[in-house]
This record gives sequence, C-alpha cells and structure tokens, in this order.
Amino acid sequence: AQSVTQLDSQVPVFEEAPVELRCNYSSSVSVYLFWYVQYPNQGLQLLLKYLSGSTLVKGINGFEAEFNKSQTSFHLRKPSVHISDTAEYFCAVSQPHVSNDYKLSFGAGTTVTVRA
Amino acid sequence: KAGVTQTPRYLIKTRGQQVTLSCSPISGHRSVSWYQQTPGQGLQFLFEYFSETQRNKGNFPGRFSGRQFSNSRSEMNVSTLELGDSALYLCASSLGGGVPDTQYFGPGTRLTVL
Repeated sequence: AQSVTQLDSQVPVFEEAPVELRCNYSSSVSVYLFWYVQYPNQGLQLLLKYLSGSTLVKGINGFEAEFNKSQTSFHLRKPSVHISDTAEYFCAVSQPHVSNDYKLSFGAGTTVTVRA
Repeated sequence: KAGVTQTPRYLIKTRGQQVTLSCSPISGHRSVSWYQQTPGQGLQFLFEYFSETQRNKGNFPGRFSGRQFSNSRSEMNVSTLELGDSALYLCASSLGGGVPDTQYFGPGTRLTVL
C-alpha cells in the first residue's frame, strides 16, 4: 500500500516570496504523483501531475514540482506567490500498475497563507 | 467542456436518516470515484465505478453504497446517518482506461448530520 506524507501542515509566506511544499511518499511499486489545490468552500483543482518522463513538471499558476525517485519526494514550488495562492494544497499518489487500484491516496494537506 | 457537477451542494439531515448524493462526470469520462473529506481524517477514498461496475472500494461500512448509470452519472447513498458522517463528499471523474489517469473533482456536497 502507498502512503503520502506532507511534512508541513501550515506554511505562512509573504507576498512575492518563494514557497516550497514538501511531499514524500512510500510505495513498493511505481507511482503517479499529483498536486491539487483547494480554495475555501470548493472542490479540488489539479495543479500538476507526474506520470513519466521529465522529472521537472510545470503546472498551472506558475507552480512546478520535481519528482525525485531516490528520495521518494515530489516537492511543489512557486518562485513568487500572490495573495490569491492562499489555499490548502494536497499531494496525492496512485499506483498505475496494481490491478484494479485506481484510487488516489492523499496527504493530510498543507495550508498556505500568503500575507501582504 | 463542462466540469464535474454535484448535487445538491449542501444538505442537512438528522441521525438515522438516509441521503443520496449525485455526481455527473465530465462528458466522455467513464470512471467516477467518491471521496469523503473531514477535518480529522482528511481525504479518504470511498469507491470507484467504471461502466456501471464497482471496481474498487475503500474501508467504509456497508452503510455507504453507490451505483453508476449507463450515462456514467453516479449516485452514492448513506443509510442510517451518524453524526460522524458529516463531511464534504467529493466526486471525481476520469477517462477510466486501462491504468489510473487524472481525476477531475467536482465542488463537493457538504453534508451536515444533526
């Protein structure tokens, strides 16, 4: 079974500063990795995903993430945040090669609060 | 293309009642998954349907059930509601091919059990 650990539950950051959200996963098989964002009173919106290929993945709204297989990590970064990036961020994993296992396993989430 | 829609957006029920939530996937998507989100347990997988068949199930009691129709729309039902069932229920759809692919989420249904 796979599991996901988001190392920071809350990240306060000033506007225009960089931010990094850390995600580690454990799995005995290859995985697909995702970052989702949830704004207040809304569902989850996909930011970016890693399925295969280049380990540096670029997503929407200026976010990017790097897949590191040796460290089993998939950290999310943004070089300059805006007030509108205030939200909760979830890292998720699925196992593409396990029969009939199509579910996403989520981390506990990281709340990002951007201050002016 | 329209996104995933869920109805109703908000529900208030009392203990012991039952509730049915509805999810319409993105056009062309054949897989629908359901998740429960609570402050204490986070996001937990309930079940996944593909071509009207339950393909995977999470660790929830039998009071939680679902189904999928031929047009890929899905419903989930919770019987004999408990206070702990208060949560945001999220539906996600995907193409549903041979391997897990990207899931796109709806806005959720906020269920409050009194």
